[in-house]
Amino acid sequence: SQQGEEDPQALSIQEGENATMNCSYKTSINNLQWYRQNSGRGLVHLILIRSNEREKHSGRLRVTLDTSKKSSSLLITASRAADTASYFCATDPGNGNQFYFGTGTSLTVIP
Amino acid sequence: DTGVSQDPRHKITKRGQNVTFRCDPISEHNRLYWYRQTLGQGPEFLTYFQNEAQLEKSRLLSDRFSAERPKGSFSTLEIQRTEQGDSAMYLCASSLRTGGNTEAFFGQGTRLTVV
Repeated sequence: SQQGEEDPQALSIQEGENATMNCSYKTSINNLQWYRQNSGRGLVHLILIRSNEREKHSGRLRVTLDTSKKSSSLLITASRAADTASYFCATDPGNGNQFYFGTGTSLTVIP
Repeated sequence: DTGVSQDPRHKITKRGQNVTFRCDPISEHNRLYWYRQTLGQGPEFLTYFQNEAQLEKSRLLSDRFSAERPKGSFSTLEIQRTEQGDSAMYLCASSLRTGGNTEAFFGQGTRLTVV
């Protein structure tokens, strides 16, 4: 079964606005990773945040992690039409032998 | 291209036929994973290799599925006697564990349609 759950399931915003997606998970983790998937394509790795980190930045991306609440958020600032995609969080329970994905957030950025 | 490579990108097959997919991981990565993704869902774990050893298999991997990774390099996933329920995107990922963390990189996937 999938451990992560993203919220909202779908999000539609205007270009230039910020987009926030949330991920909740059930068990303890070693790290959490965010991926982007364009329609019908593979997954693109965006960022990894370790369990002892609270916030991480990469370009227009900001990821937070709250292990006490078992949740993470992905913020995309100044969104662009090219950011339109599905976004998934994936948790690593500790050994890196498998990753648990949620059902994703479908983001639409309207030009 | 130094990313994860999957072949073919698309496969249409008739029910009952066998299919085989190939994955070439990033060259220095010793870990390789197969996932399956159906429409509107997140990827679901199928199996994991460390070098040539298959260390974990999901219950989703029925006896019609077999995966190999000879010599710890490329991997193949074979589905025998395909069923319509096997229609999905099959994703391969590879990783290298560093500092206690594993960052997985995915290929473009093989989309299987069983008719």
